[in-house]
Amino acid sequence: NAGVTQTPKFQVLKTGQSMTLQCAQDMNHEYMSWYRQDPGMGLRLIHYSVGAGITDQGEVPNGYNVSRSTTEDFPLRLLSAAPSQTSVYFCASSETINQPQHFGDGTRLSIL
Amino acid sequence: TQLLEQSPQFLSIQEGENLTVYCNSSSVFSSLQWYRQEPGEGPVLLVTVVTGGEVKKLKRLTFQFGDARKDSSLHITAAQPGDTGLYLCSSSASKIIFGSGTRLSIRP
Repeated sequence: NAGVTQTPKFQVLKTGQSMTLQCAQDMNHEYMSWYRQDPGMGLRLIHYSVGAGITDQGEVPNGYNVSRSTTEDFPLRLLSAAPSQTSVYFCASSETINQPQHFGDGTRLSIL
Repeated sequence: TQLLEQSPQFLSIQEGENLTVYCNSSSVFSSLQWYRQEPGEGPVLLVTVVTGGEVKKLKRLTFQFGDARKDSSLHITAAQPGDTGLYLCSSSASKIIFGSGTRLSIRP
């Protein structure tokens, strides 16, 4: 049971670099989302999608882009990395917006 | 914009003691989930509550949903070191959001 798979698990970037965090789920879930978690904090919603072709902004969308070309994949792009984006990023999916979410193991991102 | 407020932010108690943590909102919840997160891992679902006044039990954990569906509590009886972790509540309106969490530490 793969569930929600995030890659990479760890990444170090230099300020100004761009990169894509990958997220894939094999449960045919319609709802997918990206969160960031800073030390000792809860989860803040970056972007979410209620289905293929549909995305919307969460609480902290600035500096991030997403797309949802398929049901399975929901990549998160950092356009120009900044030290303030150092965080742990979690991808999650659920059948619908009202169902509990399944989380990936996270990507630990450091921006130097 | 719906906000979820969790209290207390931190809690450190002795093994065997009881505790209660809270999740509150100014808006009515359609449903509410409680998750526990351990270091280095993603959150894991504990329970979903849907109906106002609902009470659910999971071994030593008791979850209560307020009658007006604007608040919820998690009560742990006889806390064990394995209960240590970050407890998060979550709800959805147009999107799924989380509270800031209660970090629980149980001292042996």
